[in-house]
Amino acid sequence: EPEVTQTPSHQVTQMGQEVILRCVPISNHLYFYWYRQILGQKVEFLVSFYNNEISEKSEIFDDQFSVERPDGSNFTLKIRSTKLEDSAMYFCASSEGGAAPYFSYNEQFFGPGTRLTVL
Amino acid sequence: RKEVEQDPGPFNVPEGATVAFNCTYSNSASQSFFWYRQDCRKEPKLLMSVYSSGNEDGRFTAQLNRASQYISLLIRDSKLSDSATYLCAVLLRSNDYKLSFGAGTTVTVRA
Repeated sequence: EPEVTQTPSHQVTQMGQEVILRCVPISNHLYFYWYRQILGQKVEFLVSFYNNEISEKSEIFDDQFSVERPDGSNFTLKIRSTKLEDSAMYFCASSEGGAAPYFSYNEQFFGPGTRLTVL
Repeated sequence: RKEVEQDPGPFNVPEGATVAFNCTYSNSASQSFFWYRQDCRKEPKLLMSVYSSGNEDGRFTAQLNRASQYISLLIRDSKLSDSATYLCAVLLRSNDYKLSFGAGTTVTVRA
């Protein structure tokens, strides 16, 4: 069964450093997402990406964050200058979109996550 | 009012029992509803999409009540492996991108 993959599984970084989290969405999916979950809190939407541009972003997704699809398979989240409060689990997700059957096209499937620890 | 609210539980039930819990959403224009399962420190895994008034998948039944703006999940014949946190998620529009999650309902099934 196709699945979303993410690397690394755990990233430790110093405050102020740049990090890049990588994701490979499910191959025939058209919409890509990043979510984060701070320990003990709910899953929060960061950004959605379609047709090589951001579709929607939350207020969390400020100028320190950027996303990119550098090639046909990878989808990345960059945090330019990490802060302590960026420590969280970051999940990538993807959905079919397009002409998929109505009920399934907006189902989002999540990768295993990258645990980011900012020291 | 929070966009999506869930009873946090925990619901502690014996194996074989039936357990049910609700999720309320604030925006009456919400279009799509999902139940995810999340094990400790793992990713949310899609359990069920909630179609029209409700649907069933094996031991799991999801229902949608648009008038009262809630969805429910019922688990029959609980297994130890059903122990997890169940997340309710809502899409505002059919072409919306942002899943709004509840904080989750914890279910523990005991032997």
